[in-house]
Amino acid sequence: KQEVTQIPAALSVPEGENLVLNCSFTDSAIYNLQWFRQDPGKGLTSLLLIQSSQREQTSGRLNASLDKSSGRSTLYIAASQPGDSATYLCAVAGGATNKLIFGTGTLLAVQP
Amino acid sequence: KAGVTQTPRYLIKTRGQQVTLSCSPISGHRSVSWYQQTPGQGLQFLFEYFSETQRNKGNFPGRFSGRQFSNSRSEMNVSTLELGDSALYLCASSLGQGAQYFGPGTRLTVL
Repeated sequence: KQEVTQIPAALSVPEGENLVLNCSFTDSAIYNLQWFRQDPGKGLTSLLLIQSSQREQTSGRLNASLDKSSGRSTLYIAASQPGDSATYLCAVAGGATNKLIFGTGTLLAVQP
Repeated sequence: KAGVTQTPRYLIKTRGQQVTLSCSPISGHRSVSWYQQTPGQGLQFLFEYFSETQRNKGNFPGRFSGRQFSNSRSEMNVSTLELGDSALYLCASSLGQGAQYFGPGTRLTVL
């Protein structure tokens, strides 16, 4: 049974700092991995999708990496801003359907 | 392109009632998935529909059901509501097996 873990559960950093969020999963037979952000009381915003054959994806200040063999992904946020404050979730999809297994999230606070 | 829309955004029901939530996917997307989000359990998969067929189902009781129409719009229904059904219900759409895009959710409160 696939389990997804995110560490740390919460993180507070000063504005401008670079930071890394971690995601680990127990079953390496994934189809893809997706990172989302969620603002309080809102839906999920897709940030990056990494297919199982890829090692990393970049979008603006965000870079996500995937190491399937070790069951790990990281989300790197460069030059953090207060607007980056949100909960960040990673989710893995395996097999022939779109069922996502989510981690518990990392609550990020960027202090001005 | 319009994003995923969900209606209603907020609902208040009492125990024993039933409720229907609606999701309109991004134009051209044929896959719609539903998730329940609670503080205690996090995000849990309910079911996925693709071209009007249920393709996968999560571990929820039979009180939770869904369907998809020929225009890919989807509804989920919860019968005999319980207090524990209070949650944010999210739907996501996808072209096939790629990135999934979520709607704003429906906040259901059961009193």
